[in-house]
Amino acid sequence: DQQVKQNSPSLSVQEGRISILNCDYTNSMFDYFLWYKKYPAEGPTFLISISSIKDKNEDGRFTVFLNKSAKHLSLHIVPSQPGDSAVYFCAAFRDNYGQNFVFGPGTRLSVLP
Amino acid sequence: DVKVTQSSRYLVKRTGEKVFLECVQDMDHENMFWYRQDPGLGLRLIYFSYDVKMKEKGDIPEGYSVSREKKERFSLILESASTNQTSMYLCASKRGGRAFFGQGTRLTVV
Repeated sequence: DQQVKQNSPSLSVQEGRISILNCDYTNSMFDYFLWYKKYPAEGPTFLISISSIKDKNEDGRFTVFLNKSAKHLSLHIVPSQPGDSAVYFCAAFRDNYGQNFVFGPGTRLSVLP
Repeated sequence: DVKVTQSSRYLVKRTGEKVFLECVQDMDHENMFWYRQDPGLGLRLIYFSYDVKMKEKGDIPEGYSVSREKKERFSLILESASTNQTSMYLCASKRGGRAFFGQGTRLTVV
């Protein structure tokens, strides 16, 4: 059973507009949530994270929102740029409980010029 | 900056071969991981290690083994490669709440 879900396999957005990538999870015990970005033939790179005790974290063009009651988080990219075109993975883990990250299946974002 | 280095970017191996994928990290991290990435399935954990000579099975350990003789090095071994092990393999090390990934190894088994 997938504990972290990304129900949209792909998303296309016009350059300059907002990109919203969604992630749902089932395990209410997760302590941290992270977003990773992956280009083809490269390893994932860390983008932004949020603790389960917060509802928003912002870093430049990237903002992550967490809705614990809905077990939902989203990544907002404003404004979107062509270089943002990549696969985005949502991940979660429990602190002090094993060391494993649980990853979603990913969403492929295409930012059109 | 943390550096996680995988020994090969691309590998082509024959069915039945024994395959070694090597990973080295330079930040003295205790925790290291091997994932495979397949389209639509995300990153799935094969094995992880939380210390030298310590290892734990992940979600899909069948057909794989690992070795961690030194803290900085974590090796993934395909005992007898099969075509369903064709995939992108990603090594990571962890510090606190963040995983740092290598560049990946695209393995093709023919």
